Amino acid sequence: SQQGEEDPQALSIQEGENATMNCSYKTSINNLQWYRQNSGRGLVHLILIRSNEREKHSGRLRVTLDTSKKSSSLLITASRAADTASYFCATDDTNQGGKLIFGQGTELSVKP
Amino acid sequence: GAVVSQHPSRVICKSGTSVKIECRSLDFQATTMFWYRQFPKQSLMLMATSNEGSKATYEQGVEKDKFLINHASLTLSTLTVTSAHPEDSSFYICSASETVLPAQHFGDGTRLSIL
Repeated sequence: SQQGEEDPQALSIQEGENATMNCSYKTSINNLQWYRQNSGRGLVHLILIRSNEREKHSGRLRVTLDTSKKSSSLLITASRAADTASYFCATDDTNQGGKLIFGQGTELSVKP
Repeated sequence: GAVVSQHPSRVICKSGTSVKIECRSLDFQATTMFWYRQFPKQSLMLMATSNEGSKATYEQGVEKDKFLINHASLTLSTLTVTSAHPEDSSFYICSASETVLPAQHFGDGTRLSIL
C-alpha cells in the first residue's frame, strides 16, 4: 500500500530559487530515500537517510528526517532548469521485508 | 554506478498478445529485483518482488497468472504480460538491489500500449 504522502503535488519556481518538498509516512522505517524521475524515464536514487539520522547533505540537496513526526523534507538549493522532474520519497518499512513504499510524488518545474 | 537495463523501452501490440519485458543488472549481481507499474501522473505501485532461483512474491491484487515473473539468474529478471488487454497498458519499471545496499537501481521503464 502507498503510505507516503508528499506535498506539494506540484511546485513551480524560477531558476536560482530553492525548492522544498515534504513527505509523510505512517509506519516504522529503517531508512527513507528520495528518488528523481524525469518524464517517461526510470527513477534515479538521490539520497538515503537512515532512521537514526536527522539531516544529510549531498551537493545541492539537503534532506531532513523527523521520526517523531514521521516526516521528511528534501531541499534543492539554487535550482536549475535541469532539476525539472518528479521527486518521490520512499520508505523502507521494517515490517515489509525491505520493500520500498513510494510517496505520491512532487512534480517540480524550474523555469529558466 | 550500478546500471539496470530494461528492454524494450516501448511496445505497441494487439489485444491478446503476450509481451515479455527484460530487466538486466549490467555491473552487479541482483539477488532481488522488483517490478512496478506506474499510471500517468501517479506514483509507482509495486507488483511483485523477484528473488533469484525462487518464485516471485506478488502484491495483493496482482494476478500471478497474468504477470509471469522469472528470475533465472543474478542479472536477469523477466516480466511477461500474458494475453494483454487495453487495461494492461501502462508504464512498467523494474529495479534491482545489491545484497548490501538498500537503495534500488531502476531501469528506464517500458511503455506498453495494447490496442
